[in-house]
Amino acid sequence: LAKTTQPISMDSYEGQEVNITCSHNNIATNDYITWYQQFPSQGPRFIIQGYKTKVTNEVASLFIPADRKSSTLSLPRVSLSDTAVYYCLVGDNGAGNKLTFGGGTRVLVKP
Amino acid sequence: GAVVSQHPSRVICKSGTSVKIECRSLDFQATTMFWYRQFPKQSLMLMATSNEGSKATYEQGVEKDKFLINHASLTLSTLTVTSAHPEDSSFYICSVLAVNEQFFGPGTRLTVL
Repeated sequence: LAKTTQPISMDSYEGQEVNITCSHNNIATNDYITWYQQFPSQGPRFIIQGYKTKVTNEVASLFIPADRKSSTLSLPRVSLSDTAVYYCLVGDNGAGNKLTFGGGTRVLVKP
Repeated sequence: GAVVSQHPSRVICKSGTSVKIECRSLDFQATTMFWYRQFPKQSLMLMATSNEGSKATYEQGVEKDKFLINHASLTLSTLTVTSAHPEDSSFYICSVLAVNEQFFGPGTRLTVL
């Protein structure tokens, strides 16, 4: 399973855009990139998943360059309730679907 | 997506006792479930893969005799922490594999005194 590297923490202010970049230099051809959000004392919640280029949903956008060795989660106009830990995971959906969580990025949104 | 519940949400027990945690898939028949453990300020660590009707697959370093997993039906997997000790105090989270995506339960906070 490819290892991921993310910043440990990031501060932002309400209304700003938050971009979290994740490095996954050893990503395999069959691997997808998935981001999860976790609030304290809760289970992780799926945010977005992509394979290449750009993916957008109602919550976030995911940018993946052509070499796929990194990805950037973009949260538009964050609010206080977006304060959470964000995990980037890389894995093959067909390989038993085992997820390896890295350290995650602790995002603090300030008023 | 699949809706996953866990019971209990919190449990406090004495050292040496056993604790059972239930993970239920409320709207999806799950052949595969996963159990994770998370210590404070740390990331989730996969403990085992629970397969309905067969033995669980444990990750390296996880004692299968201490963390008993039973996946007797497509909607229920249980994790029993046997002879719990204070170092087993943690946040235990299960997930359900549904169509190549994992849906997580709310977690169970175990405190061993």
